[in-house]
Amino acid sequence: QSALTQPASVSGSPGQSITISCTGTSSDVGGYNLVSWFQQYPGKAPKLMIYEVSNRPSGVSNRFSGSKSGNTASLTISGLQAEDEADYYCSSYKDSRGVFGTGTKVTVL
Amino acid sequence: DVQLVESGGALVQPGGSLRLSCAASGFTFSDYWMTWVRQAPAKGLEWVANINYDGTERHYLDSVKGRFTISRDNAQKSLYLQMNTLRAEDTGVYYCARGQHKFAYWGQGTLVTVSS
Repeated sequence: QSALTQPASVSGSPGQSITISCTGTSSDVGGYNLVSWFQQYPGKAPKLMIYEVSNRPSGVSNRFSGSKSGNTASLTISGLQAEDEADYYCSSYKDSRGVFGTGTKVTVL
Repeated sequence: DVQLVESGGALVQPGGSLRLSCAASGFTFSDYWMTWVRQAPAKGLEWVANINYDGTERHYLDSVKGRFTISRDNAQKSLYLQMNTLRAEDTGVYYCARGQHKFAYWGQGTLVTVSS
């Protein structure tokens, strides 16, 4: 059960857009439209930001968007704000189980 | 409001056992799969186990298979994780989450420390 691959860190200036990738295989990311993205602040529980590749839960800013191509999913944060500085994790359904990404630390410069 | 509250975390010696609980409220518990996710100190999230609506289907992370057992009591609106033969690498915060993949709601987590 290998973790999905994410870049360790991504940074950007306020107002810029950044994209975080999440690479898996045809058995997980590529095989289902069941990719989610989570935001986590230190010492806090994760928060769902995107589900089923590109859907935003109620209350999540429309600055967050998701997409997928083949075995790679992506989370884009547009209009980067200081409050977006956090860890981000992708996850995918996989054979009745789940798998998370390695995590990406987003830094707002 | 949906609430998930974990309990049962503690310091335990290697080889020991622990039972975690997750009390659910604010939704029809029996309508949802439930999942346990853990996070080792300063590490990423790791999917541990899930269980279907009535407990007839359960799935586990390979490294915990045979040592951990996930269960649920729909009448009590509670989720459980029985952890046996604990290892140092099982140390971390354990979260319960609602669902099989969407995980829209999480508990605050309970800390399990396996150390002598």
